Amino acid sequence: DAGITQSPRYKITETGRQVTLMCHQTWSHSYMFWYRQDLGHGLRLIYYSAAADITDKGEVPDGYVVSRSKTENFPLTLESATRSQTSVYFCASRIGGSDEQFFGPGTRLTVL
Amino acid sequence: GENVEQHPSTLSVQEGDSAVIKCTYSDSASNYFPWYKQELGKRPQLIIDIRSNVGEKKDQRIAVTLNKTAKHFSLHITETQPEDSAVYFCAASGNTGGFKTIFGAGTRLFVKA
Repeated sequence: DAGITQSPRYKITETGRQVTLMCHQTWSHSYMFWYRQDLGHGLRLIYYSAAADITDKGEVPDGYVVSRSKTENFPLTLESATRSQTSVYFCASRIGGSDEQFFGPGTRLTVL
Repeated sequence: GENVEQHPSTLSVQEGDSAVIKCTYSDSASNYFPWYKQELGKRPQLIIDIRSNVGEKKDQRIAVTLNKTAKHFSLHITETQPEDSAVYFCAASGNTGGFKTIFGAGTRLFVKA
């Protein structure tokens, strides 16, 4: 589990500010994912990436931007944070050819 | 779009009893069905999974069953213990759309000692 980390673990920001959540994995997994977790909704996929420079939208991509210039990093940016983006964000990774996803420890984001 | 429904949302059992959580999925192309356990403040962790070519899988006190025709799959925990208390998520994924995984809303399981 120590192979996938997220930073910061906690973040408080204000409406309209830009926020970037970082995700780093040391396994060289090809697939990486960003989820948000809200009460009553489980885990909803925001964006995913099949490899460096390849990203695609998930279920709830609006208001978020991702990039993947290196295999090990998959940052998630909220360009102009809104209160509805208050949530717990989980990054996950998966090796190609396997179905199991490994989750990071999560980032609790509060938008005031 | 793809959807996974999970029931019940909350389940309370006495220690030693069995617990059953049920899920249904909408995408007939789904072929992989994992179950995750999430303890309070922790990350989700895979506890068991099943593929579409298998009807049942067991791992000690945990079992999962799959009915592809009905698009149902269930998690069974026998001889529950207080440490089984957590939120459990079912999920479904397939070979399309980049292997996207769709999660159920979760079941909060309480095991009373």
